[in-house]
Amino acid sequence: EDQVTQSPEALRLQEGESSSLNCSYTVSGLRGLFWYRQDPGKGPEFLFTLYSAGEEKEKERLKATLTKKESFLHITAPKPEDSATYLCAVQEYNFNKFYFGSGTKLNVKP
Amino acid sequence: NAGVMQNPRHLVRRRGQEARLRCSPMKGHSHVYWYRQLPEEGLKFMVYLQKENIIDESGMPKERFSAEFPKEGPSILRIQQVVRGDSAAYFCASSRDREETQYFGPGTRLLVL
Repeated sequence: EDQVTQSPEALRLQEGESSSLNCSYTVSGLRGLFWYRQDPGKGPEFLFTLYSAGEEKEKERLKATLTKKESFLHITAPKPEDSATYLCAVQEYNFNKFYFGSGTKLNVKP
Repeated sequence: NAGVMQNPRHLVRRRGQEARLRCSPMKGHSHVYWYRQLPEEGLKFMVYLQKENIIDESGMPKERFSAEFPKEGPSILRIQQVVRGDSAAYFCASSRDREETQYFGPGTRLLVL
């Protein structure tokens, strides 16, 4: 059973066209939810950690929010350099591993 | 302030050979995690290690795969008698503590011919 599901799988936006990426999870006790950005041929780059429902974090054009069952990554007025795959991961209490979603591949056209 | 380092970045092996992947964690980090990523798929957890100890290897195949993190030196992921299905990108991550954020290296791309 998948613990983390990301949608959509792929998203094409025009430059400046805001949108949101979704990450839903089914772990029983959430220690933390993590967002990463991955460029082709590179390792995931850390963006945000969220620990409790209602929490929000922002960085430039990105804003991450968390509810009890899902997280959103909002992208405001994206630029072509925001094109990447965005990965969501969750960590449960008393477990050591991160469960990763399959990612959303974002393509921002100029 | 160096990040997580992995080498080699690319590794080509023939079926039946051994592959050794190395990971040096960030300075001050003593927790290391290995993940495998197949094309167009997410990262799958393999093993979690602290210095000289394997903490969780629940994601590691039972045969041919092993990992270590010695007191001195990098963490090593070892794959014996590689098969074509082992071709993937292998990522190492490190953290300061178990509950803290994991930071990833650039990965080793293994190709088995």
